[in-house]
Amino acid sequence: QKEVEQNSGPLSVPEGAIASLNCTYSDRGSQSFFWYRQYSGKSPELIMSIYSNGDKEDGRFTAQLNKASQYVSLLIRDSQPSDSATYLCAASTSGTYKYIFGTGTRLKVLA
Amino acid sequence: GAVVSQHPSRVICKSGTSVKIECRSLDFQATTMFWYRQFPKQSLMLMATSNEGSKATYEQGVEKDKFLINHASLTLSTLTVTSAHPEDSSFYICSAITDLNTEAFFGQGTRLTVV
Repeated sequence: QKEVEQNSGPLSVPEGAIASLNCTYSDRGSQSFFWYRQYSGKSPELIMSIYSNGDKEDGRFTAQLNKASQYVSLLIRDSQPSDSATYLCAASTSGTYKYIFGTGTRLKVLA
Repeated sequence: GAVVSQHPSRVICKSGTSVKIECRSLDFQATTMFWYRQFPKQSLMLMATSNEGSKATYEQGVEKDKFLINHASLTLSTLTVTSAHPEDSSFYICSAITDLNTEAFFGQGTRLTVV
């Protein structure tokens, strides 16, 4: 069964620190990876997508992908209290359109 | 990013009745739309994949006669929960994509409560 695993948390970091969120996936055929942020009671919103090994940076966010280790991570620099949310990792296999979501990691940024 | 609108955002219905949820892509044509269900403190579980003009593909364990999906146009998909029961109470979310391997954009979600 294809799975995406995340630590449920909560992960607590002080304001201004770097938050590191991790995700592993079981399907080696996965080609596309996504990080979504979900506030309580709200729908997920896309933070980052990554398709190639290495790092991808967008503002305060950096996504890292290591296909050999089947590992995806998201770094949030200069964390703000408004970053407190659940972060969902998702993987999809080329040609299927289907996203497999992890259970999410709850992040708390302490002011 | 692209905008996906979902309506209603919240609905309460009586047990045994049916509820329709709409998902619209506002500024793009969605080749494929997806319907998810999310129970409290759990992740999104894919229910079905919907392609315009064809029958939806349901995930294992999802009753196609209970969760009716209609994808009438490239901008609209509907999910009808038929004969709703309290255990169907959940957060239902749609998403839409335009092309292969593109990012999926989510609607605002619908909180369904069956009493």
